Amino acid sequence: DAGVIQSPRHEVTEMGQEVTLRCKPISGHDYLFWYRQTMMRGLELLIYFNNNVPIDDSGMPEDRFSAKMPNASFSTLKIQPSEPRDSAVYFCASSLGAGVLEQYFGPGTRLTVT
Amino acid sequence: GQNIDQPTEMTATEGAIVQINCTYQTSGFNGLFWYQQHAGEAPTFLSYNVLDGLEEKGRFSSFLSRSKGYSYLLLKELQMKDSASYLCNNDMRFGAGTRLTVKP
Repeated sequence: DAGVIQSPRHEVTEMGQEVTLRCKPISGHDYLFWYRQTMMRGLELLIYFNNNVPIDDSGMPEDRFSAKMPNASFSTLKIQPSEPRDSAVYFCASSLGAGVLEQYFGPGTRLTVT
Repeated sequence: GQNIDQPTEMTATEGAIVQINCTYQTSGFNGLFWYQQHAGEAPTFLSYNVLDGLEEKGRFSSFLSRSKGYSYLLLKELQMKDSASYLCNNDMRFGAGTRLTVKP
């Protein structure tokens, strides 16, 4: 298995632009997680899905952030409009269980908003 | 809310043993996980405890006390490649991580 796939690996954009991050989970995993990591705040859970349904989005910072999972093999995290404080590494992870089984992380997308 | 606390940094010598502690507060409990993260890379799973006691996996062991909300990760026979951040995880939330530096 190729593991969790994320794209792009790096994204540099200007403030105000829309950013879309993509994730393909491991086949058969029914849980998908989006995390954001910064030096100041560490690794924060933004949202997670079970069987393509959002279960907990309490970590989504504000309305500028949205996430979708149209099918079992694809998810997107969108930021519109982007701001410099959104600069971070965004990780996608998948698992066979939430909180009871280990998560497998993608390589991350390093986002820089100027 | 949920607090997961662990030391920010630790330093140890190659070949030695180091213990990284984690305390947590949560209304529900499904298990306590430890992940390793090398600089510039994604976290990778190390160990999992759901019952009290010690789980051993080679050079790495993890201990859990649910009544105390306490866990530790024990690394034996430290190697230079063990220099990394170690993240405590409970209920899908992560602690800030402990950056371990192994010196010759």
